[in-house]
Amino acid sequence: AQTVTQSQPEMSVQEAETVTLSCTYDTSESDYYLFWYKQPPSRQMILVIRQEAYKQQNATENRFSVNFQKAAKSFSLKISDSQLGDAAMYFCAYRSPDNYGQNFVFGPGTRLSVLP
Amino acid sequence: GAVVSQHPSRVICKSGTSVKIECRSLDFQATTMFWYRQFPKKSLMLMATSNEGSKATYEQGVEKDKFLINHASLTLSTLTVTSAHPEDSSFYICSASRSNTEAFFGQGTRLTVV
Repeated sequence: AQTVTQSQPEMSVQEAETVTLSCTYDTSESDYYLFWYKQPPSRQMILVIRQEAYKQQNATENRFSVNFQKAAKSFSLKISDSQLGDAAMYFCAYRSPDNYGQNFVFGPGTRLSVLP
Repeated sequence: GAVVSQHPSRVICKSGTSVKIECRSLDFQATTMFWYRQFPKKSLMLMATSNEGSKATYEQGVEKDKFLINHASLTLSTLTVTSAHPEDSSFYICSASRSNTEAFFGQGTRLTVV
């Protein structure tokens, strides 16, 4: 079974600075998808970024980028120019593409605080 | 982006009664819907996975007779908590997927059983 680990329960960053959130996973599959979801205080889960394992190029979405290291099974999220609105819980997630019913495996989350 | 609407956002019910939570994909057809429970400051705990037109697949430890899931159409899934007890009080979240890639989440429902 796949597992997702986020080793940083809490992180903080100064506004306008850069922060990196760590995520590692364990799988025997060669093809899969990885995601970062954000859960602000409203508790609405919001998709931040997605990475297909077969793509070597790291995904980017404006101020958000990932460092995907397939061999190391590492998928870190970098937030540049941090803003107060980035404060939230961040969940790393894994999904196998084997079939439509395949569940997401979520990490335990990292709580990010942004300091003014 | 795709929109998933979950209703109600908050509900208070008396112990022993049932409550239904709806999850709708507003602008896409969801082949799969997931129901999660989230405890305070914890990650999402999968309760069940439902594919349109078939019975839901429940995770180990989740009582299927207590948490009834129906996925009658490609845009609607419902979770009914039957004979609710105070220990069922929690935050319930649904998500919908139209492919085997990303899923989109509803706003969540805070259930309080008194």
